[in-house]
Amino acid sequence: DAGVTQSPTHLIKTRGQQVTLRCSPKSGHDTVSWYQQALGQGPQFIFQYYEEEERQRGNFPDRFSGHQFPNYSSELNVNALLLGDSALYLCASSGTGTLSEQYFGPGTRLTVT
Amino acid sequence: GDSVTQMEGPVTLSEEAFLTINCTYTATGYPSLFWYVQYPGEGLQLLLKATKADDKGSNKGFEATYRKETTSFHLEKGSVQVSDSAVYFCALRYSGGGADGLTFGKGTHLIIQP
Repeated sequence: DAGVTQSPTHLIKTRGQQVTLRCSPKSGHDTVSWYQQALGQGPQFIFQYYEEEERQRGNFPDRFSGHQFPNYSSELNVNALLLGDSALYLCASSGTGTLSEQYFGPGTRLTVT
Repeated sequence: GDSVTQMEGPVTLSEEAFLTINCTYTATGYPSLFWYVQYPGEGLQLLLKATKADDKGSNKGFEATYRKETTSFHLEKGSVQVSDSAVYFCALRYSGGGADGLTFGKGTHLIIQP
């Protein structure tokens, strides 16, 4: 049983560009959450998707957007990249139900130059 | 808003020493509390959790008790091993309401020396 997978592993972009990161949830999971982890910091919640809708959002600007597909996979899009967007982006999936455990993927390392 | 505060690292201990990593939280409601661990080169893994006051979570010799009166969830282990070297994150999350993003602390880097 594959766990949460993310692609790509690493990515280098230039300031002002746009980026798309992808996540496939663990089998049987229908909820996907995205987090940003800056170097030396804890992960910060970006948003969560369930039934193809964004149902909770953290304190991130509209440059950060997402999508969930009918197969529960998800994308994170970041527009107009800033140097400060350089971070490890983590995807977590969970099943339906109160406090269903969130399983994390290995992350995508984004570097903005 | 909600927040989690952890002791600053790195924390360096000798093998078989007693471990405490302090964690306190600020929350508007009654969250569940978690400890996650991030081993070098690996993703975040849930270590233990507690869902209500006075609950004790435990796993792999680690324990933490949900103390509502002191808003704390300190992580303890009686005898650490070199393999426990990792970054530990305290986090909170609300149950119900259809939304449950985690709020993390900054993490504590633990180094165990043989």
